[in-house]
Amino acid sequence: DTEVTQTPKHLVMGMTNKKSLKCEQHMGHRAMYWYKQKAKKPPELMFVYSYEKLSINESVPSRFSPECPNSSLLNLHLHALQPEDSALYLCASSQDTGTGAYEQYFGPGTRLTVT
Amino acid sequence: GEDVEQSLFLSVREGDSSVINCTYTDSSSTYLYWYKQEPGAGLQLLTYIFSNMDMKQDQRLTVLLNKKDKHLSLRIADTQTGDSAIYFCAERPPRNDYKLSFGAGTTVTVRA
Repeated sequence: DTEVTQTPKHLVMGMTNKKSLKCEQHMGHRAMYWYKQKAKKPPELMFVYSYEKLSINESVPSRFSPECPNSSLLNLHLHALQPEDSALYLCASSQDTGTGAYEQYFGPGTRLTVT
Repeated sequence: GEDVEQSLFLSVREGDSSVINCTYTDSSSTYLYWYKQEPGAGLQLLTYIFSNMDMKQDQRLTVLLNKKDKHLSLRIADTQTGDSAIYFCAERPPRNDYKLSFGAGTTVTVRA
């Protein structure tokens, strides 16, 4: 099973709202990732968690706040977003980071629209 | 640099073979990946190749790697309508081993 699940599938929020995106995997992977993808573009890395600790923040604005409550779950808390933050948000996981194939498996994404 | 380049579009007739090309810039990259993205969906890992290999075959998919020219290709045999999607190649340079560098993606359209 190489499934990564994400909820919700679609989300519409106003610029003053607070919302959260959720991601779950049960593959025993110890690395989890958040990506942002604009239409017709490749995904852009936002955050990497390794062994439940934030290891990489790709200079993401503080209105995006990640959280890893346990090794299977990854959240992305959203607050005071801008319309340009509208995008597909993808979660991914891999067995680990470092040398080795450690292929990343992606979830279906959450389509976020900020109004 | 970490620029991965792909042609943007490919149109192929159903039943023919598709070949999607990719060039990467970091000769020390150890793993190269191909992902497929259908409309409205996430990325599906199709296959990957280790840099000490020249070729990898998996059912209808064949990956060729020319490390000297830093050229990667994905061949899809007997292309079907379900193969219509965007295909991304990605490299993982060892100095940023957590990070995939993606190409812009090739949109493959399969026509009857």
